[in-house]
Amino acid sequence: QKEVEQNSGPLSVPEGAIASLNCTYSDRGSQSFFWYRQYSGKSPELIMSIYSNGDKEDGRFTAQLNKASQYVSLLIRDSQPSDSATYLCAVRRTGTASKLTFGTGTRLQVTL
Amino acid sequence: NAGVTQTPKFRILKIGQSMTLQCTQDMNHNYMYWYRQDPGMGLKLIYYSVGAGITDKGEVPNGYNVSRSTTEDFPLRLELAAPSQTSVYFCASSPAGLNYEQYFGPGTRLTVT
Repeated sequence: QKEVEQNSGPLSVPEGAIASLNCTYSDRGSQSFFWYRQYSGKSPELIMSIYSNGDKEDGRFTAQLNKASQYVSLLIRDSQPSDSATYLCAVRRTGTASKLTFGTGTRLQVTL
Repeated sequence: NAGVTQTPKFRILKIGQSMTLQCTQDMNHNYMYWYRQDPGMGLKLIYYSVGAGITDKGEVPNGYNVSRSTTEDFPLRLELAAPSQTSVYFCASSPAGLNYEQYFGPGTRLTVT
């Protein structure tokens, strides 16, 4: 089992719809969770972080964390073509201090 | 603030050559990291540093070396380049604190032929 698992996609959603991106992790003691957006040929950009169970909203983005089920998700409301990118889930696992473990990413395509 | 800067943006090396990838951050972050990203493989940690003078290996350190003489700079050295080191290299930094959010530089695309 991979430490951080994401569906590689592509996930295709029409413009204006809600995109739902999911991530599961294997270390039950993981403490911090991050979503990065990476455009093709560019570096990862931090868009959301979440540390407690529940939802955290920032503009059109909502991160959801369920530690009991060991998953974290990212919802993008009113999806725009500019949201088309690869979304990386990252987890700070128990005992790894400042290090993050990254998933391989989900490619999102927002179609007109 | 420029954030995290990396040079060069692109480089082609011949097998057996050496080079240093430069990384500088101006956010006064204690922690710095080097990753490589291969297509479809995600980000793999090469080395990291928790402060000036302190470095440690990540998942894939073989073939690389680092040093951290100042808070701002964290260069990555490739000795005896091999085709397997063809990749995109990202440097990142994070502040000390509870959650260690990492911020990335623009990357260096390296090809070894």
